[in-house]
Amino acid sequence: QIQLVQSGPELKKPGESVKISCKASGYTFTDYAMHWVKQAPGKGLKWMGWINTYTGKPTYADDFKGRFVFSLEASASTANLQISNLKNEDTATYFCARYWEYFDYWGQGVMVTVSS
Amino acid sequence: ETVLTQSPTTTAASPGEKVTITCHASSSVSYMHWYQQKSGASPKLWIYDTSKLASGVPNRFSGSGSGTSYSLIISSIETEDAATYYCQQKSSDPPTFGAGTKLELK
Repeated sequence: QIQLVQSGPELKKPGESVKISCKASGYTFTDYAMHWVKQAPGKGLKWMGWINTYTGKPTYADDFKGRFVFSLEASASTANLQISNLKNEDTATYFCARYWEYFDYWGQGVMVTVSS
Repeated sequence: ETVLTQSPTTTAASPGEKVTITCHASSSVSYMHWYQQKSGASPKLWIYDTSKLASGVPNRFSGSGSGTSYSLIISSIETEDAATYYCQQKSSDPPTFGAGTKLELK
């Protein structure tokens, strides 16, 4: 069955970096784009951007340009999200989601807490 | 970007009642998709391409609409339907989500 399994929760200090992984299984990884979605505590869903899993080319939403990097380990069917210079407002759950005209499968989410 | 405005923000209904959630787009979109999210869980695709039910979704749910106005309708609500529902469009970049409608059971 199709699964997106994300890495575990993270507790970081402001200024640190974090790398989140999203391992796909049950389908051909390079056939579907992978998108990233942020959900701050008690808030709605915010689209962060996506990565072409065939070419590796990332595209970032305007609010996520600069400190955010999408990458792949295609041989491991894994997409990664790295956030550098963490700020308090990065505290959120980050979801990966497979895309085919809509987001049909989602990872379980990774809670990132940024606190001094 | 296309802004999606959902209404109501929250609503409460008794089992068996009919519930309608609307999503208004700031510009015309070709399709609307809907997701269900329960507390502490990831969103699930619920309705895609405006009116198609995702796998496993009960047929008391339906979707309709066109242009700038779309709806998710629950014909006879059940306790398991308590969740937050989000609309989402991809007709124009970037993809955007509505702010969500929290559905509570009385």
